[in-house]
Amino acid sequence: GAVVSQHPSRVICKSGTSVKIECRSLDFQATTMFWYRQFPKQSLMLMATSNEGSKATYEQGVEKDKFLINHASLTLSTLTVTSAHPEDSSFYICSATVAGGRADTQYFGPGTRLTVL
Amino acid sequence: AQTVTQSQPEMSVQEAETVTLSCTYDTSESDYYLFWYKQPPSRQMILVIRQEAYKQQNATENRFSVNFQKAAKSFSLKISDSQLGDAAMYFCALPFLTQGGSEKLVFGKGTKLTVNP
Repeated sequence: GAVVSQHPSRVICKSGTSVKIECRSLDFQATTMFWYRQFPKQSLMLMATSNEGSKATYEQGVEKDKFLINHASLTLSTLTVTSAHPEDSSFYICSATVAGGRADTQYFGPGTRLTVL
Repeated sequence: AQTVTQSQPEMSVQEAETVTLSCTYDTSESDYYLFWYKQPPSRQMILVIRQEAYKQQNATENRFSVNFQKAAKSFSLKISDSQLGDAAMYFCALPFLTQGGSEKLVFGKGTKLTVNP
């Protein structure tokens, strides 16, 4: 099956710094990628949808200036958490799909654990 | 708006026994489908089974089957002959169409399944 990777798998940073998380589709072209956030023992909450070459669409309540998403190529989307604070500590998961892809063709990355000190 | 409700935060089952996880949902769509995802301790999201709403026959994938009651908007997952490797968080999910034409997923809060040897 299709493979999606995320890098880094875990990151620890100091409060006030910015952190970039990469999501790559390794063997297919992903015109759409989704970014989720998962707090401990909670469900996945969709943060934003990014389409290659266009601006991301953010879910209600998600600060677009804090969570910058760039989907510049068909195999790479990045999520940058700007001026991170301890409350941003969470597990971030991306998924990738092709254009008009059905939800069962969403392929999930292994996630990135962010800890902000 | 689409909603997904999982009313069992935790369930346990003896190895080799059968367990049923509950899920109810709400949607205004007439044609849709539903998913069960598994998230083991590795945190990797794995698609377990999919049900298309127009199909009356319940989906089955090896030891996993669903009981889909469209009128009641109920979508339960039955795991037969439970194995230790089935221990995980299980999420029920409902897709809906984005403006870009792809489908994003709404997840329930999840059920943590413990399998006892």
